[in-house]
Amino acid sequence: GAGVSQSPRYKVAKRGQDVALRCDPISGHVSLFWYQQALGQGPEFLTYFQNEAQLDKSGLPSDRFFAERPEGSVSTLKIQRTQQEDSAVYLCASSLAVAGANSPLHFGNGTRLTVT
Amino acid sequence: ILNVEQSPQSLHVQEGDSTNFTCSFPSSNFYALHWYRWETAKSPEALFVMTLNGDEKKKGRISATLNTKEGYSYLYIKGSQPEDSATYLCAFNTPNAGKSTFGDGTTLTVKP
Repeated sequence: GAGVSQSPRYKVAKRGQDVALRCDPISGHVSLFWYQQALGQGPEFLTYFQNEAQLDKSGLPSDRFFAERPEGSVSTLKIQRTQQEDSAVYLCASSLAVAGANSPLHFGNGTRLTVT
Repeated sequence: ILNVEQSPQSLHVQEGDSTNFTCSFPSSNFYALHWYRWETAKSPEALFVMTLNGDEKKKGRISATLNTKEGYSYLYIKGSQPEDSATYLCAFNTPNAGKSTFGDGTTLTVKP
């Protein structure tokens, strides 16, 4: 497809369940980012990949969060033992440039996670 | 922790009004400032990437200016239309860091 694709669009999980969120970036985009957006706030950085290498995971809030991009294309964000505070929109973005700083991010539509 | 602030938080204007809002960011260690527009039920869309002090960018009725020495950027919309209703986000980048730090956005509502 032409844009960044995320699935599922909506996910309801019971507290304690594990979830996996998928991101399919624009073909050829080197950089891939995950952001978490709580209601009324801006996106908060979670983690960043350059090809298959995870260069920065400083934003992951706990060791329950894990991200991978094994072949440098599709990425999965996994949240283990979900808690209510994990409820948010999870945005994936990709960028053509290596560093991403001077090149705009192309966002997917996000996955809205609700933990009950 | 980088502090990126946007004001106002929300804005309601009438169709045809011109409006502007502000993004404040750290004046040291600047690399790039991005503006995005995020319409309801869509994904954020890039408007501008600004890198040089004094930069001015324009796209149709929307323009932006950048002052890196004092750490702010203005976004202007001339003759607002209902289709301009969206949340406008700014994002700040430091050198050698892939990640962007976002503000909380300004939500604009344009009434017909």
